[in-house]
Amino acid sequence: EPEVTQTPSHQVTQMGQEVILRCVPISNHLYFYWYRQILGQKVEFLVSFYNNEISEKSEIFDDQFSVERPDGSNFTLKIRSTKLEDSAMYFCASSAQGGANEKLFFGSGTQLSVL
Amino acid sequence: DQQVKQNSPSLSVQEGRISILNCDYTNSMFDYFLWYKKYPAEGPTFLISISSIKDKNEDGRFTVFLNKSAKHLSLHIVPSQPGDSAVYFCAASAGGTYKYIFGTGTRLKVLA
Repeated sequence: EPEVTQTPSHQVTQMGQEVILRCVPISNHLYFYWYRQILGQKVEFLVSFYNNEISEKSEIFDDQFSVERPDGSNFTLKIRSTKLEDSAMYFCASSAQGGANEKLFFGSGTQLSVL
Repeated sequence: DQQVKQNSPSLSVQEGRISILNCDYTNSMFDYFLWYKKYPAEGPTFLISISSIKDKNEDGRFTVFLNKSAKHLSLHIVPSQPGDSAVYFCAASAGGTYKYIFGTGTRLKVLA
């Protein structure tokens, strides 16, 4: 069964450093998302992306965050200058179609630890 | 602002019995609801969904019930199996948005 793959599974970084989290969505999917889950809290929406543009973003997704689809297969989340509170599990997701009535397929996540 | 609430952080059920997981929401604009299951070290996996035009959707052992007047939905798993042990997240969205609002999850443990 096709799946969303994320690398690395764990990322440790120093506060203030830039990190790039990588995702390979399911190949025929057109809509891409990043969510995160801080330990013990709920899964939170960060951003959605379609046709090389951000479709929607949350208030968490500030200027420190950016997303990119640098080629036909990868979808990346960059955090420019990491803060301690960015420590979380980051999930990439994709869907074949957009809109509310679409199920998202999630990757297994990247655990980001900011020291 | 917790628009989607799962008030039971954990639930234990005997194998073969029914598991009922509950979810409440506050935003009346939500019109699509989903349940996701999550095992440790894995991402959430889609389980079942329901549109607000329905009050019930069934898929094998899983049934989701929606009570719009009470802003409440529930997931029934029957019969429960040990492999169902996982964290279950309720999620909701409003029409035209790509953003799903998740609850905090309920950890289900099915005892053999």
